[in-house]
Amino acid sequence: QVHLVESGGGVVQPGRSLRLSCAASGFTFRDYGMHWVRRPPGKGLEWVAVIWHDGSNEYYADFVKGRFTISRDNSKSTLYLQMNSLRVEDTAVYYCARRYSEAFDIWGQGTMVTVSS
Amino acid sequence: QSALTQPASVSGSPGQSISISCTGTSSDVGSFNLVSWYQQHPGIAPKLMIYEVTKRPSGVSNRFSGSKSGNTASLTISGLQADDEADYYCCSFASGSNWVFGGGTKLTVL
Repeated sequence: QVHLVESGGGVVQPGRSLRLSCAASGFTFRDYGMHWVRRPPGKGLEWVAVIWHDGSNEYYADFVKGRFTISRDNSKSTLYLQMNSLRVEDTAVYYCARRYSEAFDIWGQGTMVTVSS
Repeated sequence: QSALTQPASVSGSPGQSISISCTGTSSDVGSFNLVSWYQQHPGIAPKLMIYEVTKRPSGVSNRFSGSKSGNTASLTISGLQADDEADYYCCSFASGSNWVFGGGTKLTVL
């Protein structure tokens, strides 16, 4: 069964860092590009970042560029999101999602990140 | 990238059909046949309903269909059921290897 499980969320002060993880199972992780998508409280979905299946390319939404870094370890079937210089407006549920034909076909259950002083 | 434009809410009675529009620009919806639609119930992860404008993933009811004309894509749900009540989001691949979501539409089944 195909599964994505996020972890690493929590409460953090503005300006601090946090690293999210997404453990994949049930499919050949190294064959798929992967995304991070977030949903701020009371708002809609926002695309955050994508990484190619082999890690050769990364792209970011403007609002995280220079602060967030997406990476992956195909030997561990795990996706990461390193979030630095966090802002209050980064508060959201963060989902990892599998890339399929420029859509997101498999989603994790999400992990909550709260940035607050 | 600006968010795609969706109506904030739509409603319909059981058995009826409704459509949700999703308007973008020539840099996203208008340039690529790569529009997808997601259903999200409260507290649950989004679910892919339509990809590449018109394609349904395995397991998604044929009551859900997609289309596109110019810079506007649409999701149509026929034979509305109570369980269709949820938030719906469109998304498009965009120039520069970005993805952009719509603001979301709350569907109420009366």
